[in-house]
Amino acid sequence: KAGVTQTPRYLIKTRGQQVTLSCSPISGHRSVSWYQQTPGQGLQFLFEYFSETQRNKGNFPGRFSGRQFSNSRSEMNVSTLELGDSALYLCASSFGTVSYEQYFGPGTRLTVT
Amino acid sequence: GEDVEQSLFLSVREGDSSVINCTYTDSSSTYLYWYKQEPGAGLQLLTYIFSNMDMKQDQRLTVLLNKKDKHLSLRIADTQTGDSAIYFCADLGNQGGKLIFGQGTELSVKP
Repeated sequence: KAGVTQTPRYLIKTRGQQVTLSCSPISGHRSVSWYQQTPGQGLQFLFEYFSETQRNKGNFPGRFSGRQFSNSRSEMNVSTLELGDSALYLCASSFGTVSYEQYFGPGTRLTVT
Repeated sequence: GEDVEQSLFLSVREGDSSVINCTYTDSSSTYLYWYKQEPGAGLQLLTYIFSNMDMKQDQRLTVLLNKKDKHLSLRIADTQTGDSAIYFCADLGNQGGKLIFGQGTELSVKP
């Protein structure tokens, strides 16, 4: 079974631009969560989607948004990029209503210049 | 809020056992996890334990949970150079799928 895939793997953007990252969960998984990883703050939860509904949200500004499609694929969007948004963005998928086994993708490395 | 703490570094010799420790504050934890991250890669789920268990063994990995002290440990038997990585402890509380991660412990295995 294929794992979680994330595209693109690497991205360079300029301050003020916006970016969309994509995540395809493991086949059959219905929950997708997003995390930001930085050297300073570590791994921080962004949001979680289940069956196209946002189920949980972390403490990030409204510039960070996401959505989930009917095939469980998810996208996250960051508008008005800031230098501090440079990070590894990780997506995790899990099967059911209780996301107790979360499998991570390889991440998208975003660099904001 | 919830917090998870880990020591930052551990160095062992190849063939020795490694023990990575973690403490957490959330009294409503349901599951606790160990993830491994190699350079340039995502997180690999190694093992996890339900909060009403005190031990779980999976091949070379042994997880011990002391719920009273909110202490979790991961023991890796016969540590190999391929085990060199950063190990993250994570806590799944009662907020859906939100994992709270520790800072990660960098394990260095010397031949």
